[in-house]
Amino acid sequence: DPKIIQKPKYLVAVTGSEKILICEQYLGHNAMYWYRQSAKKPLEFMFSYSYQKLMDNQTASSRFQPQSSKKNHLDLQITALKPDDSATYFCASSHHRGANSDYTFGSGTRLLVI
Amino acid sequence: SQWGEENLQALSIQEGEDVTMNCSYKTYTTVVHWYRQDSGRGPALIILIRSNEREKRSGRLRATLDTSSQSSSLSITAAQCEDTAVYFCATDAKAGNYKYVFGAGTRLKVIA
Repeated sequence: DPKIIQKPKYLVAVTGSEKILICEQYLGHNAMYWYRQSAKKPLEFMFSYSYQKLMDNQTASSRFQPQSSKKNHLDLQITALKPDDSATYFCASSHHRGANSDYTFGSGTRLLVI
Repeated sequence: SQWGEENLQALSIQEGEDVTMNCSYKTYTTVVHWYRQDSGRGPALIILIRSNEREKRSGRLRATLDTSSQSSSLSITAAQCEDTAVYFCATDAKAGNYKYVFGAGTRLKVIA
């Protein structure tokens, strides 16, 4: 059974629209993260949450808004979508926020903005 | 070797060969994580090596960490076709930082 569930797996959106990427983890972890992976680029850190509180935001654009309705949920709302937003978005979690924790990644949501 | 904005590297080897992938980092780190990513899937942690460890083994995998040269390596012994994947290193950007910085990765292909 997948420990981190990301939905949907694939998403096609029209420029200017808004989408929400879903992430749920069933590992009992206290920290959750969002990463983005664009073609031929390294994984890029976006956000970290700890106990449902935003701890760090590395995303310059306010169009990206994480939402945590429950401790094991961290959704990502993206507004006014642009073609440059096309990427695979990975959710991850760890027991505690910090470098010494083991990270577990979801399988990603592949977003294509046309 | 891989780091930051470097392009994804590619390696192709024969089954049974040994391979080493390198990673260098720019600032002090307390830990280096090595991940593998299979096509269409998220990264999976395979080895975590801390700054007080010089070497860590897990099955056919061996990671080293040299804090003086700010580099780490991942070796696979007797590579098998199922080792085909992209391998990344990741470190915290500065001491105690939780913001991981990932290397560009090495795309390893093991040919039968």
